Parts: sequence; structure tokens; C-alpha cells
Amino acid sequence: DAGVIQSPRHEVTEMGQEVTLRCKPISGHDYLFWYRQTMMRGLELLIYFNNNVPIDDSGMPEDRFSAKMPNASFSTLKIQPSEPRDSAVYFCASTPGGVINEQFFGPGTRLTVL
Amino acid sequence: AQKVTQAQTEISVVEKEDVTLDCVYETRDTTYYLFWYKQPPSGELVFLIRRNSFDEQNEISGRYSWNFQKSTSSFNFTITASQVVDSAVYFCALSALMMDSSYKLIFGSGTRLLVRP
Repeated sequence: DAGVIQSPRHEVTEMGQEVTLRCKPISGHDYLFWYRQTMMRGLELLIYFNNNVPIDDSGMPEDRFSAKMPNASFSTLKIQPSEPRDSAVYFCASTPGGVINEQFFGPGTRLTVL
Repeated sequence: AQKVTQAQTEISVVEKEDVTLDCVYETRDTTYYLFWYKQPPSGELVFLIRRNSFDEQNEISGRYSWNFQKSTSSFNFTITASQVVDSAVYFCALSALMMDSSYKLIFGSGTRLLVRP
């Protein structure tokens, strides 16, 4: 089975541009998580979904960030407008519902905002 | 509030040495899970182990072993006879149960392990 799929793997953009990161969770997983990793702040949870419904978006840094999950097999994280301080690695992870299981992480998207 | 502390920012050892990575957690949940993940230089996050708060038995998997002590709120990770391929950042994580019975993971800041040949 394919794992969590993220695209693009690398993104370089200029300040002010819109950036869209994509994630396909493992089929059958009820939960989807978006994380951001930086040297300064470590691994931060931005938002997570349960059965396509956003549950906790308290980690979203500001209104420039938005996330959607239109169906069980696809989610996007959008930054508009992007700023240099958004440069980070963004991970998507998924996990089945029920008993608390490990989260399966995608390979990450390395975002550089110039 | 839940919290995970990995006090060791970076550890450097010579190959074949044993090394222990510390993890201390805080939670008010009566049932919780603890995890360890490995992040090698390639960047992906690899799951290593999950431990239920009711199971305090130590676990061994090859050169890896985990010591869970509820009395000290610790879940330490030992690598025996370390190898260069063990060089990575290791994260400890704690489950946090939400009001709707969903959960999220609280990650520690990670410990960077460098194993020198």
C-alpha cells in the first residue's frame, strides 16, 4: 500500500505568492494532520481533521493559512500571501480512528519563500 | 496541559557505544500513549514504538529498548551498540485526548544523535 503522499516535495516561491501544499492520506485513515517543522520551533501541529471535519486549528499561525479536506482522500494547506518566515518543512500525517495508533507521516514538502 | 521534554538537544557517541535518550512527559489524562519517532537525515519521520500507559513492561526490539516508568513520568530509549546508521533526530511524543474523543500528538523538541565511526 502507498503511504501518505505529499506534493510538491520542494517548493520555492517569492514573498506574496500563494502556495498550495497537497496531501493524500492512507486509504481508510480517519484522521489527517498537518505539521510544520522549523529549527526554531521544532515540530508544530497546525490543524487536524477527523472524517474530513477540522477539529482543532489552534495551531494555524494566522489568517494567511487555511486548510481544507474536501474528501477522505485529499487535503490542502494554503498560504496566501506567503512570507519568508513561512519557510519550513510541512508534513502531513494520517492515522486510523478507534484506538490511538501511530501517525503515518508523508515525506514532507520543503517550502522556501524568498 | 500536556508536555513532552527531551532535555538532551544533541548527543555524540562513538560507534558501538550504548546511548540513552531521555523523555519526560506531563499529562492529566488517565489513559495515554507514548511514542518514539526517528527522523534520519533524509527527513522522513519513522515510527519506532507505541506504548500504552497501562503497560509498564520494558520492550526490546533488536538493539533498541524502551524503559517506561510511570512513577517518574519517563519513557527513555536506549540504543545498544550504536551504529552510524542510527544517526538521526529522535522525537518522543505523547497523546492528548480531545473533547470529541479524537486525539493529537504532543511532540518533544527532539534529540539529535550523532554516531561517529
